[in-house]
Amino acid sequence: GQNIDQPTEMTATEGAIVQINCTYQTSGFNGLFWYQQHAGEAPTFLSYNVLDGLEEKGRFSSFLSRSKGYSYLLLKELQMKDSASYLCAVEDSNYQLIWGAGTKLIIKP
Amino acid sequence: IAGITQAPTSQILAAGRRMTLRCTQDMRHNAMYWYRQDLGLGLRLIHYSNTAGTTGKGEVPDGYSVSRANTDDFPLTLASAVPSQTSVYFCASSVSGGVTGELFFGEGSRLTVL
Repeated sequence: GQNIDQPTEMTATEGAIVQINCTYQTSGFNGLFWYQQHAGEAPTFLSYNVLDGLEEKGRFSSFLSRSKGYSYLLLKELQMKDSASYLCAVEDSNYQLIWGAGTKLIIKP
Repeated sequence: IAGITQAPTSQILAAGRRMTLRCTQDMRHNAMYWYRQDLGLGLRLIHYSNTAGTTGKGEVPDGYSVSRANTDDFPLTLASAVPSQTSVYFCASSVSGGVTGELFFGEGSRLTVL
């Protein structure tokens, strides 16, 4: 079966750095997405990785290792507004998105 | 720019009733999707449409139907609602079907079936 694993919840301190991991087992691979979802709101796109390596976008970076079936989202200089759920999704060989259950990130002052 | 508009925002429904969730986009995207989101589970695809006039089944299509008469509208119908369909429903769109690309989501419709 297809599976996306990510931690259920993480806690970090304002101003610090946090890494949210995502491991996947899917039927083929056509890319990996990260989305941010604030409580009660819609998911919004953060990043897309299709090749191995690190993609940096401001305070957020996303890393992919296809051989290990592994990705992480790195958030730097954490702000209170970063408190949200972070969703990992993999596009399989049929171009269908398989979603993880999301990681709830709690930022403390 | 509205993006994707869903209606209603929230609804309480008696079991056995028929319900249609509306979704409209103004981005001229070819592909549209309906997902449900339940606590502790990832987003699950109900139905999708890669272009106007075509639809396809997702991971959890039973009890739901869709239509895509034009580019902008993609309503989701529950023919006879059951309590297990209590969920938050998100409509989404992307520029093209096939290769998913970035998804743009509506604000969601929270449905409670009693």
